[in-house]
Amino acid sequence: AQSVTQLDSQVPVFEEAPVELRCNYSSSVSVYLFWYVQYPNQGLQLLLKYLSGSTLVKGINGFEAEFNKSQTSFHLRKPSVHISDTAEYFCAVSDFGNEKLTFGTGTRLTIIP
Amino acid sequence: GAVVSQHPSRVICKSGTSVKIECRSLDFQATTMFWYRQFPKKSLMLMATSNEGSKATYEQGVEKDKFLINHASLTLSTLTVTSAHPEDSSFYICSARGQATNYGYTFGSGTRLTVV
Repeated sequence: AQSVTQLDSQVPVFEEAPVELRCNYSSSVSVYLFWYVQYPNQGLQLLLKYLSGSTLVKGINGFEAEFNKSQTSFHLRKPSVHISDTAEYFCAVSDFGNEKLTFGTGTRLTIIP
Repeated sequence: GAVVSQHPSRVICKSGTSVKIECRSLDFQATTMFWYRQFPKKSLMLMATSNEGSKATYEQGVEKDKFLINHASLTLSTLTVTSAHPEDSSFYICSARGQATNYGYTFGSGTRLTVV
C-alpha cells in the first residue's frame, strides 16, 4: 500500500524568499507523483506531476519539484514566493496501474509580507 | 483544459433530510469519478470510485447506503447523502478522469455541507 508523508503542517515564509515543501512517499511499486494546491473553500488545482522521464518537473505559478527515487521524495520548491501563494499544498501518489490517489496531510504555506 | 463543475458549492440542510451533490465534466468524458471527503484542516479521504454505468466501489469504512453514488453518464456523477446528520457535515470534493487525460485528475470546486 502506498502512503505519503508531509512532515511540515505549516510553513511561514517571507515574501520573495524561497520555499521548499517536503514530501516523502512509500510504495512497493513504481509511482506517479503529484502536487496540488487548494485555496480556501475551493477544490484542488494541479501544480505539477511526475509520470516518467526527467526527474525535475516544472509546473504552474513558478513551482518545480524533483523526484528522488533513492530518497523516495518529491519536494516542491519555488525560488521566490508571493502573497498569492498562500494556500494549502497537497502531495499525492498513485501506483502504476492504480487510479486511486493517496494524499498527504497537506502543508499550509503562509506568506509573510 | 478539462473542467469539472460541482454544485452546490454550499448547502445547509436539516438533520434527517437527504442532500444531492452533482459533479459534471464540462468538456471531456469522465470515465472514472472519485468522491472525497475533507475534514477541517485535514487531508482528503477517498470515499468511493465510480465508473460510468457501474456500481461505485466504496472505500473501507464508508457506508454505501448512506452515501449513494450514481454515475449514469460520462459527464455526470452524483453523491447523495441520505438521512444526513451533523456528523456528516464536511467538505465534499469530486474528481474526474477521462480516458485520454495523461493521468490527469480534474477536481471540482467542492461542496460545503452543513447539517443542522
